[in-house]
Amino acid sequence: AQTVTQSQPEMSVQEAETVTLSCTYDTSENNYYLFWYKQPPSRQMILVIRQEAYKQQNATENRFSVNFQKAAKSFSLKISDSQLGDTAMYFCAFMKGGMGNTPLVFGKGTRLSVIA
Amino acid sequence: DGGITQSPKYLFRKEGQNVTLSCEQNLNHDAMYWYRQDPGQGLRLIYYSQIVNDFQKGDIAEGYSVSREKKESFPLTVTSAQKNPTAFYLCASSMYSGIAKNIQYFGAGTRLSVL
Repeated sequence: AQTVTQSQPEMSVQEAETVTLSCTYDTSENNYYLFWYKQPPSRQMILVIRQEAYKQQNATENRFSVNFQKAAKSFSLKISDSQLGDTAMYFCAFMKGGMGNTPLVFGKGTRLSVIA
Repeated sequence: DGGITQSPKYLFRKEGQNVTLSCEQNLNHDAMYWYRQDPGQGLRLIYYSQIVNDFQKGDIAEGYSVSREKKESFPLTVTSAQKNPTAFYLCASSMYSGIAKNIQYFGAGTRLSVL
């Protein structure tokens, strides 16, 4: 079974600064996907970024980027130029690859507060 | 306006009562999922369905039931056997192919409380 661990229950960052959220995972699979989702106070789950395990290049989406270390099974999220709207719960998630779609396995989340 | 619609937004259950949470999507997605969210627990899988008339149990399926009679609909019933149903329930869907392959999109959720 796969597990996802987020070791930082809460973090805070000053507006315009950079922050990194940690995530480690455990799997024996070689084909998989990793995701970061954001859940603001509205509780709507929003995809932030996706990484395919077979791609060595780290994914980026505007101010969001990941550091994917496959051998270490680490998948951290870096938020640059933090904005007040980035305040949310952030969940790291794992999905096994292969035929069809499979469920996500989530970490317990990191609550990020961006301070003005 | 494409998306995933969950209803109701808030739901109250009386002791011994079964209640049904609705999830409808008009994205033509193949797979649908139900997750439960408790404080400090992250999201945990209840059931998922990859195709009409077929579904699989997740880690916490006891006390819940689902059906998938139509591609666009995946209702979740919380039965009286679920002794601690108070939680936030999220429905998601995804597609098998295309640029958005394997990305799960979520509804706005249903908050279930016990009276």
